[in-house]
Amino acid sequence: QQPVQSPQAVILREGEDAVINCSSSKALYSVHWYRQKHGEAPVFLMILLKGGEQKGHDKISASFNEKKQQSSLYLTASQLSYSGTYFCGTPDENDYKLSFGAGTTVTVRA
Amino acid sequence: NAGVMQNPRHLVRRRGQEARLRCSPMKGHSHVYWYRQLPEEGLKFMVYLQKENIIDESGMPKERFSAEFPKEGPSILRIQQVVRGDSAAYFCASSPTRRQGLGNSNQPQHFGDGTRLSIL
Repeated sequence: QQPVQSPQAVILREGEDAVINCSSSKALYSVHWYRQKHGEAPVFLMILLKGGEQKGHDKISASFNEKKQQSSLYLTASQLSYSGTYFCGTPDENDYKLSFGAGTTVTVRA
Repeated sequence: NAGVMQNPRHLVRRRGQEARLRCSPMKGHSHVYWYRQLPEEGLKFMVYLQKENIIDESGMPKERFSAEFPKEGPSILRIQQVVRGDSAAYFCASSPTRRQGLGNSNQPQHFGDGTRLSIL
C-alpha cells in the first residue's frame, strides 16, 4: 500500500514555512524523500532511518516517528527553488522497492 | 556525468509498435529499478533487477512488458504492441546496495531523467 501524503498542494511566499506529512497504514522501516520539478527526474533529499530522527538538507528537514508510522518534511524560510512536487517513499518488507505517495505540489512565489 | 543515463528522452510510437527504453545505472551500481509515472501522479514500481537477474517484477503488467539487465550493457524495458494507455514517463533508478532501510544502509535510489513515451 502506498503512503498517504498531505496536503496535496501548498502555495507559499518566499520566506514562509510549510509542513508536508507522509503516513502509512503499515510499519515503516524508513522513509525516503524526493523532490521532482516538472519534466525532470526525482531528486533524492534524505532518508530517515530511525524513530524521531531529524535530518536536514539546506533549510529542509524531516522527522520520522516509527510508532505513529509517519514522517513530516519541513520547508523553512522557503526559497523559489523549493518549488516542485515532493514525494515520500517507503520500502516494503523486502527492503528494496519503494512505494511512493501521490505527491505534494509546492509552489513558492516571490 | 556519472549519473543514471536513460535514453531516449522522448519516444513516440504508433499503436502496435514496440518500444525499447534503455537505462545505464550509475557507475558501481548493480541494482536497477524501473518506475512508471502517469501525468499528475506518483511513481509506481514496475521491476527490480540485478545483473542478469529479475528479482521482483510484481509491478509489471503480465503481458507485453518485459525487462532485462544483461551482464554487459544497459538495462532494457521493452513494451510490445504498445497501446495508448502505455503513454507515461518511465524512470529508471539505481542503487549500490539492496538493503535501504533495514540495518545500517542509507543508500538512496538515484533516478535518471526518464523516457517520455507517447503513443499515437
